Amino acid sequence: QVQLVESGGGLVKPGGSLRLSCAASGFTFSDYYMSWMRQAPGKGLEWVSYISSSGSPIHYADSVKGRFTISRDNARNSLYLQMNSLRSEDTAVYYCARASGHTSGWYWGQGTLVTVSS
Amino acid sequence: SYELTQPPSVSVSPGQTASIICSGDKLGDKYACWYQQKPGQSPVLVIYQDNKRPSGIPERFSGSNSGNTATLTISGTQAMDEADYYCQAWDRNTASYVFGTGTKVTVL
Repeated sequence: QVQLVESGGGLVKPGGSLRLSCAASGFTFSDYYMSWMRQAPGKGLEWVSYISSSGSPIHYADSVKGRFTISRDNARNSLYLQMNSLRSEDTAVYYCARASGHTSGWYWGQGTLVTVSS
Repeated sequence: SYELTQPPSVSVSPGQTASIICSGDKLGDKYACWYQQKPGQSPVLVIYQDNKRPSGIPERFSGSNSGNTATLTISGTQAMDEADYYCQAWDRNTASYVFGTGTKVTVL
């Protein structure tokens, strides 16, 4: 069955960095668009970044542009999010998600918690 | 930036119909999706491309989209449908995925 398993979350100080990973299985990873989404505690859903099946194009939300970098390794069935210059407002559960197209809707992993605090 | 607005809450009696609206400028020109999220769980896609149901989603979930409003309808609402619901659309102008503000559905 389809599985998306996120890892790499944790506690980091403001200004610090963290790298999230998402291990995919149960489907042909290289056929799918992938995104990172997030949800701050008690808040709504927010799209963070998108990468096409081939690795280009890539898009970012304005709130993370210039600080976060999305990448994928189709040979390893893995998605990544490098997060730099972290701020307290980046505290959230980060979800890995897949879709077959821009309008087909997203299938979500279980999420990993990132806490930015001194 | 593109915005999608939802009412904060909707209440419905068991067996009745719940309608959740999502408003956005010319939303009918885009495709809308809907997600269900229960406490402590990941969001689950219940409607995509305005009115299509993924495999495994009950027939009581349906959707429509026209003008500036998309609507998720839950017919014969059950206690298990109590959750937060979010609409979402792809905005090609800004190359971004936009989520609605979310609606908490309470089954009284």
